[in-house]
Amino acid sequence: GAVVSQHPSWVICKSGTSVKIECRSLDFQATTMFWYRQFPKQSLMLMATSNEGSKATYEQGVEKDKFLINHASLTLSTLTVTSAHPEDSSFYICSAGAWTSRETQYFGPGTRLLVL
Amino acid sequence: EDKVVQSPLSLVVHEGDTVTLNCSYEVTNFRSLLWYKQEKKAPTFLFMLTSSGIEKKSGRLSSILDKKELFSILNITATQTGDSAIYLCAVQGGSEKLVFGKGTKLTVNP
Repeated sequence: GAVVSQHPSWVICKSGTSVKIECRSLDFQATTMFWYRQFPKQSLMLMATSNEGSKATYEQGVEKDKFLINHASLTLSTLTVTSAHPEDSSFYICSAGAWTSRETQYFGPGTRLLVL
Repeated sequence: EDKVVQSPLSLVVHEGDTVTLNCSYEVTNFRSLLWYKQEKKAPTFLFMLTSSGIEKKSGRLSSILDKKELFSILNITATQTGDSAIYLCAVQGGSEKLVFGKGTKLTVNP
């Protein structure tokens, strides 16, 4: 079946630094990838929709200058959290859309970010 | 605005019990409703429902959709401790975006 990987799975960083998270579709081409954030005991909240070769579409309330998304190829999207602060600590999950898939979206394993 | 409401938010049962989880939704240009199971990491796919009245089944889990009343249920029979998880319902409207409910936290005690 379709596999989506994320790297890193865990990251701890100091406040003010930038962190890049990669999302890869390993055995299929994903024209669309989604980035979600999940705070403890809450549901997944969509942050942005990333389309290959074009600018990402951000959900209301998500700062596009803070959460930079790049979808340079059909198998890779990256999310960069710039100037991270403790309130950015969260679980970040990507998913990749494959129109031929009956499951519609495949989720990566997630990246746990802790900003000190 | 698209919305998904799950109930109950939390449920504690004993092994062997049968549980029913509810999901109601409002969405523009409904495309599909999906159920996911989330343990410690990212959600894993359970079912995708697009048509009313057709039950999807996988082992002890089953789900059905009512597009007229805008809801879905997820049933788990003969629950096991391994069923303990958060069950997420999501709907997909005109775009590919998924809108998630808050989830139902199921705890199955031995």
